[in-house]
Amino acid sequence: GAGVSQSPSNKVTEKGKDVELRCDPISGHTALYWYRQSLGQGLEFLIYFQGNSAPDKSGLPSDRFSAERTGGSVSTLTIQRTQQEDSAVYLCASTADRGLGEQYFGPGTRLTVT
Amino acid sequence: AQSVTQLDSHVSVSEGTPVLLRCNYSSSYSPSLFWYVQHPNKGLQLLLKYTSAATLVKGINGFEAEFKKSETSFHLTKPSAHMSDAAEYFCVVSDRGNQGGKLIFGQGTELSVKP
Repeated sequence: GAGVSQSPSNKVTEKGKDVELRCDPISGHTALYWYRQSLGQGLEFLIYFQGNSAPDKSGLPSDRFSAERTGGSVSTLTIQRTQQEDSAVYLCASTADRGLGEQYFGPGTRLTVT
Repeated sequence: AQSVTQLDSHVSVSEGTPVLLRCNYSSSYSPSLFWYVQHPNKGLQLLLKYTSAATLVKGINGFEAEFKKSETSFHLTKPSAHMSDAAEYFCVVSDRGNQGGKLIFGQGTELSVKP
């Protein structure tokens, strides 16, 4: 079946612009995660959605970052007023079983802020 | 708090020789531990996971890992390296142990395989 998909695969934007990154989880998966992979920071957690519960936003690095998950499926990560330090690969993962199972990762969106 | 430490940032082996990638963990819960692999320009793929069943866990592509509570270790091994094993490997712990939650990644170990 289809895995986790993310779009766009690559995004180049100018400093100060807003960007939206999209994640389509595996159908039926109730938990969805966003992570960021950058050279200086490695792989770090950003935000976690589980069913209808309030999201865990504890990993968001600043208030310029936000995410939503509509209808318990697709998620959008928005970065406002992008900065060069936001350049990274943004990874989405989903899992079934209320977050207990294996996390399946998408291919990522490579964001470059110029 | 949960954390993992990968003891080597880079490991180089010759094809056909054993692989050992070292990982130590810290967890307040009964831990759930994973090894993920990332090939160049590819996504993360689960190699294996430990969730309090057998302490010796077998994964894909001939990899295995042994959970040692007394040493707080979860080292990844493979008897014989193949060129296609060259990749970055991440040791990972689940934030809420066997109750799931976010993943906490080690800094990664880059494995090189020489012909």
